Amino acid sequence: GDSVTQMEGPVTLSEEAFLTINCTYTATGYPSLFWYVQYPGEGLQLLLKATKADDKGSNKGFEATYRKETTSFHLEKGSVQVSDSAVYFCALSDSNYQLIWGAGTKLIIKP
Amino acid sequence: GAVVSQHPSRVICKSGTSVKIECRSLDFQATTMFWYRQFPKQSLMLMATSNEGSKATYEQGVEKDKFLINHASLTLSTLTVTSAHPEDSSFYICSANHRVGNTGELFFGEGSRLTVL
Repeated sequence: GDSVTQMEGPVTLSEEAFLTINCTYTATGYPSLFWYVQYPGEGLQLLLKATKADDKGSNKGFEATYRKETTSFHLEKGSVQVSDSAVYFCALSDSNYQLIWGAGTKLIIKP
Repeated sequence: GAVVSQHPSRVICKSGTSVKIECRSLDFQATTMFWYRQFPKQSLMLMATSNEGSKATYEQGVEKDKFLINHASLTLSTLTVTSAHPEDSSFYICSANHRVGNTGELFFGEGSRLTVL
């Protein structure tokens, strides 16, 4: 079945460092791909999405490109801030609109 | 737009009691709502899929008699944890299907943290 694998956390970085959180997937067909973020004490919210190969999703300085050849959707940000500290989930949406989730990666940004 | 509200956000109850969690889509109609459970350091686990006016579809391993789901209207689904025990303590999250541009995007409630003493 479909699955999502993302790098284990926690990931600890200093402010203004470059961030990459890896995400790879297996799926039949052509899923949509998402990154969701969960800030401390809050619910999940969509960070960015891509619906087809080579699409780039972007929001709040974060980017991820849908790479069909490598089945990847890595999350990147050029300069992280303390306020980016959160748990990040990679997910894919199959034809039934159910979300298949990665395990989540906790990101800790130190000032 | 597309706001999903969950209530209560936190609840503490005694072992053996039942707890009801509500999930409402505030500005759209949701034909399908999903209930998830989140364990510390683990991914979200889909518990059940709830369709308005019909019985919920439970994932394997989820006890339907323990986790009662009712989707009485297009804007409200409820999850009732019956005879709660400490091992039921968890973070419960609902989401609703709002078919925007056929991308499969879901909208999530804020989550409800249940602590069973």
